[in-house]
Amino acid sequence: DGGITQSPKYLFRKEGQNVTLSCEQNLNHDAMYWYRQDPGQGLRLIYYSQIVNDFQKGDIAEGYSVSREKKESFPLTVTSAQKNPTAFYLCATSPGRAEYEQYFGPGTRLTVT
Amino acid sequence: GQNIDQPTEMTATEGAIVQINCTYQTSGFNGLFWYQQHAGEAPTFLSYNVLDGLEEKGRFSSFLSRSKGYSYLLLKELQMKDSASYLCAVRGLTGGGNKLTFGTGTQLKVEL
Repeated sequence: DGGITQSPKYLFRKEGQNVTLSCEQNLNHDAMYWYRQDPGQGLRLIYYSQIVNDFQKGDIAEGYSVSREKKESFPLTVTSAQKNPTAFYLCATSPGRAEYEQYFGPGTRLTVT
Repeated sequence: GQNIDQPTEMTATEGAIVQINCTYQTSGFNGLFWYQQHAGEAPTFLSYNVLDGLEEKGRFSSFLSRSKGYSYLLLKELQMKDSASYLCAVRGLTGGGNKLTFGTGTQLKVEL
């Protein structure tokens, strides 16, 4: 069935380690997005990609990296340079410019200690 | 840039009506969205407004006034399952026309 998959649901890492969060979709959507959500704050855009092999920085890209080698996949790497990586990470997709809402995956809760 | 304001928390009674307000200041506007998010889950789409006026969808309605930079989400016949965070998001004109900026969300608690 169609949808957006993020795995794992919960992820634990030690400080200083890079970690990659996966986001896979079979909705055939062109655009994909990564957000982070912290308690008491709204969703903040990290990176987004409108087409394969192209992506742009969002509002809080420092300490993160992405790739978009396939339409279906948009992995996010949280590097050791990200000062406060513990957060709830949400991946979203949308069909493209002419469409309206974004569809969200179930999210990955990352805890770095 | 974009600035979006909405109340942090609201409480309402089951069966009642509640209105959640959202005000925004943007350098470009291309639509306003409302999402519902239960704790620990993904946001789900509720409504979209790009023109002034009221959009009704079952128990939920959303209103937009572009000249005032103002929107509200109206929830009728409240149910306990409506207890959730409600996110207001504005779509700007950059980023291919589908880049959203979210408010901090309004946590709604529905009581008996």
